[in-house]
Amino acid sequence: NAGVTQTPKFRILKIGQSMTLQCTQDMNHNYMYWYRQDPGMGLKLIYYSVGAGITDKGEVPNGYNVSRSTTEDFPLRLELAAPSQTSVYFCASSYSKGAIGNTIYFGEGSWLTVV
Amino acid sequence: KQEVTQIPAALSVPEGENLVLNCSFTDSAIYNLQWFRQDPGKGLTSLLLIQSSQREQTSGRLNASLDKSSGRSTLYIAASQPGDSATYLCAVIYSPLVGNYQLIWGAGTKLIIKP
Repeated sequence: NAGVTQTPKFRILKIGQSMTLQCTQDMNHNYMYWYRQDPGMGLKLIYYSVGAGITDKGEVPNGYNVSRSTTEDFPLRLELAAPSQTSVYFCASSYSKGAIGNTIYFGEGSWLTVV
Repeated sequence: KQEVTQIPAALSVPEGENLVLNCSFTDSAIYNLQWFRQDPGKGLTSLLLIQSSQREQTSGRLNASLDKSSGRSTLYIAASQPGDSATYLCAVIYSPLVGNYQLIWGAGTKLIIKP
């Protein structure tokens, strides 16, 4: 009963480094999302995917890249990390686009600090 | 542009009290509204999903109402318990363009139930 699994849970990066946040879901959902949550703010959509091989930008895509080679996996890549990317990142999945009529499932979050 | 606001940002009440959390949205053309719970260091868990055609949904001690015309939803928690302490977020599914669906989030209300 894994649901959505994210790794790593915590990471400290130096400015300019790159890294990949991993996300996998075992519910056979077509739709997957990456959000960031800054203190006192709502979640902001970074990228989303409507199925394997298809991705699209959300509200705040700059500085990030994604890929979706399989239904299960949706990694988020940070290139040239900047302090502004210090945040908590959540991966999520749903059966339908935008979770219309269906709930959206979240991973437990990845805490990223860029110093 | 759809905006979701949750007031207050934080709330502290004694155990046993009934309480109401508020969520307001600026555009009434929503598909549904969801309430989520977020525990420290954890991901988000869906609590209740209200379709745009519905007025309320209930789950145990939780009751969520939706008034699209006034752009408001409330989450009622009966007989509050210390275990209810968490941050509660609401989110709406919104379609600014035909075929384009977005999940817009409030910033959350941090609830503390004092024993």
